[in-house]
Amino acid sequence: SQTIHQWPATLVQPVGSPLSLECTVEGTSNPNLYWYRQAAGRGLQLLFYSVGIGQISSEVPQNLSASRPQDRQFILSSKKLLLSDSGFYLCAWSVYPGYFSNYGYTFGSGTRLTVV
Amino acid sequence: SQQGEEDPQALSIQEGENATMNCSYKTSINNLQWYRQNSGRGLVHLILIRSNEREKHSGRLRVTLDTSKKSSSLLITASRAADTASYFCATDAGYSTLTFGKGTMLLVSP
Repeated sequence: SQTIHQWPATLVQPVGSPLSLECTVEGTSNPNLYWYRQAAGRGLQLLFYSVGIGQISSEVPQNLSASRPQDRQFILSSKKLLLSDSGFYLCAWSVYPGYFSNYGYTFGSGTRLTVV
Repeated sequence: SQQGEEDPQALSIQEGENATMNCSYKTSINNLQWYRQNSGRGLVHLILIRSNEREKHSGRLRVTLDTSKKSSSLLITASRAADTASYFCATDAGYSTLTFGKGTMLLVSP
């Protein structure tokens, strides 16, 4: 069966420090991978998505970046965190998106990031 | 920008009652999906309805879609305290990504 692992669950980082959040998927090949951020009481904001190794699309200009070094690994990074980067970060995967899809996204359990 | 907008923002009911949440969106879609999020957790996919479908059922869930009005509703019948969560609609407009609304917070009291 397919599973998605996201870590760490919580993270407290000082302003200006680097960030690396990792997400891995098991049990599927060539998934579409996504990073979303959720501010308190708000909906989900798409940050990055990837349809293949090395292919990254950015939805929102910011000081975050994403990389996909392996088929089932998606990494969210920052060189210098800002206070505004605080939030709940969610990784997700999907296959066969679009009209003929019968499947939704599978989300990880999320990382609560607090920048202090 | 937000594609889907849920209504109401918050809903409080008693166990056994039905809960209805609505979602409106702006552009043409391939499908619309509903997700559930328990506090502090990831989202869980509940149900997907395609643009050529009008109604779909899954257990105690009933989803309707009206593409002419660009709206959808999620009905949870015979609610339980365990249904307490936030519910999000998400639209697939064919760009390889989903766009989520801000969600409806449902509180079911015993």
